[in-house]
Amino acid sequence: EIVLTQSPGTLSLSPGEGATLSCRASQTVNSRNLAWYQQKAGQAPRLLLYGASYRATGIPDRFSGSGSGTDFTLTISRLEPEDFAVYYCQHYRSWQYTFGQGTKLEI
Amino acid sequence: EVQLVESGGGLVQPGGSLRLSCAASGFTFSNYWMTWVRQAPGKGLEWVAVVKHDGAEDYYVDSVRGRFTISRDNAKNSMYLQMNSLRVDDTAVYYCARVGGWDYFDCWGQGTLVTVSS
Repeated sequence: EIVLTQSPGTLSLSPGEGATLSCRASQTVNSRNLAWYQQKAGQAPRLLLYGASYRATGIPDRFSGSGSGTDFTLTISRLEPEDFAVYYCQHYRSWQYTFGQGTKLEI
Repeated sequence: EVQLVESGGGLVQPGGSLRLSCAASGFTFSNYWMTWVRQAPGKGLEWVAVVKHDGAEDYYVDSVRGRFTISRDNAKNSMYLQMNSLRVDDTAVYYCARVGGWDYFDCWGQGTLVTVSS
């Protein structure tokens, strides 16, 4: 079973700053099957990135993703007030889907 | 507009059963795998089950296998989750979601709350 570990658990930043969120897999994974989601309080998650670096429809270009192997990064440049939320990475392999525990991005 | 609407949540006693429904619209439902994801209060996301576009295959997380059954009715553009032998730790908001081409979840419903308590 692949375990995804996200860091940091909580990230405190200000609007206008940049954010770097990490997702580390317990073994090498196919970057094609690595996705990132944003979840605001009281709302359903929203797909941000798939295939580690491809933005989903309607996602602003201040969101970008990178990485391969076991280490993946979600980068948010120039934080907007609406970006403060919880972010999850997710992976798929062999009929099992796994989420990281989440990173809370707070003001 | 793609829309997923869950229903069927509620309060149930430990050992009881509940059936969740997910009504889909705005896309060709029969072309997509569909999935259930849950979130316990104050916790992270946990994948629960997935069903193939034609209903011929289904897969589960270990903690629900043998107790939950995912199914779909493409004629009704609907997916279901039959939950039996419910436990207190099954308490969560249950989301239905559409599975995209690279096994990501590209559309989500608003969720339905299941509370297992005596």
